[in-house]
Amino acid sequence: SQQGEEDPQALSIQEGENATMNCSYKTSINNLQWYRQNSGRGLVHLILIRSNEREKHSGRLRVTLDTSKKSSSLLITASRAADTASYFCATDAKDQGAQKLVFGQGTRLTINP
Amino acid sequence: DAGVTQSPTHLIKTRGQHVTLRCSPISGHKSVSWYQQVLGQGPQFIFQYYEKEERGRGNFPDRFSARQFPNYSSELNVNALLLGDSALYLCASSSGFYNEQFFGPGTRLTVL
Repeated sequence: SQQGEEDPQALSIQEGENATMNCSYKTSINNLQWYRQNSGRGLVHLILIRSNEREKHSGRLRVTLDTSKKSSSLLITASRAADTASYFCATDAKDQGAQKLVFGQGTRLTINP
Repeated sequence: DAGVTQSPTHLIKTRGQHVTLRCSPISGHKSVSWYQQVLGQGPQFIFQYYEKEERGRGNFPDRFSARQFPNYSSELNVNALLLGDSALYLCASSSGFYNEQFFGPGTRLTVL
C-alpha cells in the first residue's frame, strides 16, 4: 500500500507561473523527501525536510511540512519547460530497523510554453 | 563524483527465466535499497541492505533476493520471471538512516 498521496494527479500551467503540489501521508515520519522523474527515468532528489522542520527552500523550490495535518506541499516558482516531469513525495517508514521510503502515485506536471 | 550507477540499462527476458540486476552506490554510502516501479505508479520498496546485512524487505515473493558485497555494491536477483515483473527497477544509496536517498537511472526489465 502507498502512504503518500499526491494532489493533484495532473497539473498543467503556463511557463512562468507557479506550481503547487500537495502530499498527504498516514503515519508518523522522520522525514519527507520530494523527487522528480522525467519520462520513466531515475528519480532526481529535490529536497528532504525533517519532521522538526516546517519549511525549507532550495533555489526555486519551497517545501512545507505540517505534521499535525500529515501533509506537505512543494511549490515551484517561475516554472520553466524543463520542469515538466512527474513529482513524487516519499516518507520514510520505520520498519523494524529498515529505512523504507513509501511513495505516492505522483503528480504529473506539464509546463506549457 | 559519480552518482548511483545501475546495469544493464535495459533487459528483455522471457517468462520463467532468471535475471540479475547490479547497482553501485555513491562512494562512501553503505546503504543500498531496491525499488520496483510499475508504469504509472510510484516506486515500491523491495529490499534495503546496510553494511552488507539485509535490514528490510518489502511485500515481494521469495523469487526476489538480493545481496550486498564488501565494496557495498549490490545485486538484485529475480527467479522464475512473470509477466508482472516487467517494471523499472531502481537502486538507491544513502549515507545513513534518515538521510537522503539518491537513486540511479534504473534498469528497465521487460518480460515476454
